[in-house]
Amino acid sequence: TQLLEQSPQFLSIQEGENLTVYCNSSSVFSSLQWYRQEPGEGPVLLVTVVTGGEVKKLKRLTFQFGDARKDSSLHITAAQPGDTGLYLCAGVWGTYKYIFGTGTRLKVLA
Amino acid sequence: DTGVSQNPRHKITKRGQNVTFRCDPISEHNRLYWYRQTLGQGPEFLTYFQNEAQLEKSRLLSDRFSAERPKGSFSTLEIQRTEQGDSAMYLCASTPGLSPPDTQYFGPGTRLTVL
Repeated sequence: TQLLEQSPQFLSIQEGENLTVYCNSSSVFSSLQWYRQEPGEGPVLLVTVVTGGEVKKLKRLTFQFGDARKDSSLHITAAQPGDTGLYLCAGVWGTYKYIFGTGTRLKVLA
Repeated sequence: DTGVSQNPRHKITKRGQNVTFRCDPISEHNRLYWYRQTLGQGPEFLTYFQNEAQLEKSRLLSDRFSAERPKGSFSTLEIQRTEQGDSAMYLCASTPGLSPPDTQYFGPGTRLTVL
């Protein structure tokens, strides 16, 4: 059973558009991570957010952790074809348990 | 290359056969995880090792699945009497086990197809 729901499940947009991916849970996490996965490869960590309300920026990507540490969002500005991939959020419980979200598959068309 | 490696990358087997996958974590990473991922979904936790000790096993894992990590280095995941529902990508990840939250470093996965 997935405890982390991501929306949307699929997203196909034109190059240059903005988008937001949501990651929601009823559980509180000690921290939350976002990964990106490309076909045939394992997920690669993009960012970790720890404090409720925390905002982190990674070039055109902006990550926010909800005040109650139950949800998070990923916003991409001016999407590029290189942003195409499967985006995964992962809630961290305690010191070692990771629960992955349902995933958002993004396709950016040139 | 000092990343996480997994072998084989692909495995096709007939229903009822046993299969074994291997994961070589990043050297000196003391934590190792196995996940199962179906197409387009997020990875599902299977089991976790701290050094050679298997500290947690998902309730999703039936008795047909077993994992080992002898000497706290590489790990193997064995599936006995495979079923078609076992078809998935099996991912391995390792973490250094430092101050949380750790970064998980994933291998490329082993894709299992059960005919």
